[in-house]
This record gives sequence, structure tokens and C-alpha cells, in this order.
Amino acid sequence: GAGVSQSPSNKVTEKGKDVELRCDPISGHTALYWYRQSLGQGLEFLIYFQGNSAPDKSGLPSDRFSAERTGGSVSTLTIQRTQQEDSAVYLCASSLVQGTGGNYGYTFGSGTRLTVV
Amino acid sequence: LAKTTQPISMDSYEGQEVNITCSHNNIATNDYITWYQQFPSQGPRFIIQGYKTKVTNEVASLFIPADRKSSTLSLPRVSLSDTAVYYCLPMNRDDKIIFGKGTRLHILP
Repeated sequence: GAGVSQSPSNKVTEKGKDVELRCDPISGHTALYWYRQSLGQGLEFLIYFQGNSAPDKSGLPSDRFSAERTGGSVSTLTIQRTQQEDSAVYLCASSLVQGTGGNYGYTFGSGTRLTVV
Repeated sequence: LAKTTQPISMDSYEGQEVNITCSHNNIATNDYITWYQQFPSQGPRFIIQGYKTKVTNEVASLFIPADRKSSTLSLPRVSLSDTAVYYCLPMNRDDKIIFGKGTRLHILP
């Protein structure tokens, strides 16, 4: 697609329920990143995919959080047994990693606003 | 990963030129200096990237001295719509990028 697409755009869920957030990166982008942004705060790194593998999961805040990527394309971030502190905007970005010459820019989606009540 | 320091907030008036300086003393040789802009309720948006000297595009200019330990984003003739958070990020192809708190720029009429 033309940009990074995230769904749903908004999600309200009850505490204790599981949620799945989806990210559809730009076609051909091999790298995919998940970030979380709480109200008024900066972006918190969660996980990074290169192709289907996740060489860096260091930002996942607990074992309730997991993510996968299939076919080198779509990624799903799953939060199990949601808690109120999980409420935030979850942002996905993709990038076309190039060998030389710079332009390592990420393209971000518009995010999923998750509210746990 | 290079640590960055930039002002927490800045105010300016419409029509002025705004310069936001970021320090990155331990930038790596293969890092490019990249700036992002984020409006409320949106994901960050790439503005400009450079390695050294000066880069200019339709939105901004980026000045990087020879030692590359700092960079300055210059926004010419700002308008109210330039009110946003601006992030300075050393980036390379091998590392994830870690966003700091950025600079909250507020443009006044």
C-alpha cells in the first residue's frame, strides 16, 4: 500500500481481555517496528522485526505482550490480560533498509488508540 | 546508541525562522542525523536527514558541523501549523531508533 496501515484505529476493551493490533507495512519494507506512546509522553520502543524474525524484543514490557510477523509483511501485536496501564497509542513503522547512501527513514502509521477500562 | 539532548520546549511567532539544536556527542560514524515531526494524534513524520554540512528540502534545512556532535534543524517562516513535537535521532541501518522526549514547538500568532 501507499502507507503504513494500522487497525483498528481505536479499541476500547475491558481489563483482563486480550487484544490484537494489526500493522500492514509499506510493500517491500523489510523492517517493521512497534512503539507505544502514552498520553503526553515520548515513544517507547517495543519490538523490531527484520523480515519475519524479531532480533530485538527488548522493549516488550511484560510477557503479556507478544508480536509476530508473517510473510515478511503484516504484523500483529497481541496483549493478553490487558491492564489499565496498557492504555496508550500503539504505533507501527516500517522502513526499507538500504545498503548505502542514507535515507533510513521510518514511515509511521496513524496508530491504534487502546483504552482499557 | 547515541544519546541526544534537545530543548524540551520552544515558543516562536508566525513568520519567524526557528532553529532547534540537538547535541549528540557520541554519534557513531555510520549514523545519519534524522529529524521527525509529530502532530497530536498522529505518528511521527520524517522531515529531513543528513550526514554532514548542510541539507535542504522543501520543508527545512539541516546544519551539521564537521565534528557532527550537534545538528540544527531550521524551519523558515513558521506558521501555526508547525506547532508540533520535533525529534532529533541519530540513525543507522543496524539499530532500532530510540526516541527521546523531543522539542515541543509552539507557534504563536
